[in-house]
Amino acid sequence: ETGVTQSPTHLIKTRGQQVTLRCSSQSGHNTVSWYQQALGQGPQFIFQYYREEENGRGNFPPRFSGLQFPNYSSELNVNALELDDSALYLCASSKDVGQGNTEAFFGQGTRLTVV
Amino acid sequence: AQSVTQLGSHVSVSEGALVLLRCNYSSSVPPYLFWYVQYPNQGLQLLLKYTSAATLVKGINGFEAEFKKSETSFHLTKPSAHMSDAAEYFCAVSPYGGATNKLIFGTGTLLAVQP
Repeated sequence: ETGVTQSPTHLIKTRGQQVTLRCSSQSGHNTVSWYQQALGQGPQFIFQYYREEENGRGNFPPRFSGLQFPNYSSELNVNALELDDSALYLCASSKDVGQGNTEAFFGQGTRLTVV
Repeated sequence: AQSVTQLGSHVSVSEGALVLLRCNYSSSVPPYLFWYVQYPNQGLQLLLKYTSAATLVKGINGFEAEFKKSETSFHLTKPSAHMSDAAEYFCAVSPYGGATNKLIFGTGTLLAVQP
């Protein structure tokens, strides 16, 4: 059983650019959640995808968008990068079993630096 | 709105001493509460969770937490600290009264263990 993997592990982008972060969910999981963790802060919920549809969103602007693919992997896209977007981006996968989700397993994250 | 507050951004204990990390929650519905641990350059690992069953919850690595509705608290304890416990700990609440994994995290407590 493979765990949650995220790519890339680190990247540096320039303000105004666009970035795509990728997440492969754990085998058997159909739900992916994305979180932003700024330095010294707790993770903040960005959005969740279930069966390729957005299933809830936190307080993030529309330039944060996502996709989920038929194999349940997911992408997080951020347009018009700002310096404050510098953070660790965490992906978590779980399985919706109809009455809630199983435990969420987190990937190691992608460290994004915007300069 | 649901939230969690972690009291003490840094806690230092001696090896073998009691670990007590504090978390208070605010929730208008019966909450699901979680404790996660994050080691440097790693994702989050679930230590334990409260889902309205037993109020004393036992987790991995000897940690446990007690749900106290009257005090709106969910403090994390471990009787005897090990050097390997040094990490950052996050309390989280699931704000929808269920296991949706759309988690709201506290700001974290960094635990240092002194030899």
